[in-house]
Amino acid sequence: DTEVTQTPKHLVMGMTNKKSLKCEQHMGHRAMYWYKQKAKKPPELMFVYSYEKLSINESVPSRFSPECPNSSLLNLHLHALQPEDSALYLCASSQDPNTGKLDYGYTFGSGTRLTVV
Amino acid sequence: AQKVTQAQTEISVVEKEDVTLDCVYETRDTTYYLFWYKQPPSGELVFLIRRNSFDEQNEISGRYSWNFQKSTSSFNFTITASQVVDSAVYFCALSANTDKLIFGTGTRLQVFP
Repeated sequence: DTEVTQTPKHLVMGMTNKKSLKCEQHMGHRAMYWYKQKAKKPPELMFVYSYEKLSINESVPSRFSPECPNSSLLNLHLHALQPEDSALYLCASSQDPNTGKLDYGYTFGSGTRLTVV
Repeated sequence: AQKVTQAQTEISVVEKEDVTLDCVYETRDTTYYLFWYKQPPSGELVFLIRRNSFDEQNEISGRYSWNFQKSTSSFNFTITASQVVDSAVYFCALSANTDKLIFGTGTRLQVFP
């Protein structure tokens, strides 16, 4: 299995709703990431989990709450979002670059397209 | 600081033309990785290639080729005999000593029949 699977593919939510995005990989990658991508812009890093611990938070508002229940799963809990949070949310995973593995790289999921109304 | 610059915002070509997408990067690290990703309208980021800073060999994969030059901090991507299916946004990206993948602003390629 060489994929990162994201669910749902599309999500419409109201500003008072609570929802969660899910990401799963079974490649044994030790790092998992959430990126946010607005239309016609590059992906922007939100969070990084390394060995199931949060290692990077790019000053993301607290209405976004990441969770890494185990090495294969990454969730993004959403609460009280604003319309400007509407975007494509991408999950990615990668190996440890220090293992010296030649195929080190980032694998992305197909994303969840979120619309906040 | 680390930075990736893709100066070409949009390129339009006619099928069968060759096209080169430019990428210039900045980093003070001696060990780093460079990537190209393709993003079709459906949204997923498709991995095309990875290069580490110690491997300056150019690479060819079918109609795709990459020219990595450390002297000019460039990692350019050429599509030979372009096809309509090549239409997408292409991102160059850099990862250096951190878990962060820094993306350029992307180049939108439109290939017309």
